[in-house]
Amino acid sequence: SAVISQKPSRDICQRGTSLTIQCQVDSQVTMMFWYRQQPGQSLTLIATANQGSEATYESGFVIDKFPISRPNLTFSTLTVSNMSPEDSSIYLCSVVSEQGASGANVLTFGAGSRLTVL
Amino acid sequence: GENVEQHPSTLSVQEGDSAVIKCTYSDSASNYFPWYKQELGKRPQLIIDIRSNVGEKKDQRIAVTLNKTAKHFSLHITETQPEDSAVYFCAASEGNNRLAFGKGNQVVVIP
Repeated sequence: SAVISQKPSRDICQRGTSLTIQCQVDSQVTMMFWYRQQPGQSLTLIATANQGSEATYESGFVIDKFPISRPNLTFSTLTVSNMSPEDSSIYLCSVVSEQGASGANVLTFGAGSRLTVL
Repeated sequence: GENVEQHPSTLSVQEGDSAVIKCTYSDSASNYFPWYKQELGKRPQLIIDIRSNVGEKKDQRIAVTLNKTAKHFSLHITETQPEDSAVYFCAASEGNNRLAFGKGNQVVVIP
């Protein structure tokens, strides 16, 4: 499966600032996704990062708050803008990189970026 | 959109016993149901998945069953071991690679 590198792995941020998270994949992938995992909670899809076009955002997430770049088939960034303590979370990049035994596409996750907003 | 519910939220089992986690989903168009395991501080990892054209799938000590009529699917872990302790997430998808996850189950295997 694809190897995904995310950075930073963790950061402590001040309220009102913005932080950009980078996701690098060791192979070309068509589909990349950004998820959020709040403390002790499930994984919520923020958006699908599309190469060559605007990202597709899920309900409750907007481009002004979470701008996404996808300059090529191996890289994407997610920016968390104008942060507040409610944005403290783990942000995970994920890709569809292979077909599993069931024949469906398997979603592989990066290690995540743990952000704490003070 | 799809709504996936998972229960129980926490499950404690004695080592060697079986554990069963159940999930329900709302969208009858969903056709792919993976299970992810997340150990503390680590990334979620796929452990088993099933498509809607199959009712049951087994891989060593883990198995997944699917009831499309009732819109629920379950993860079964037999002969549990301490390394099975983790949070398990079920998910559902319409096949467009966008997964809707349940809230997760904390499984604790007591040695």
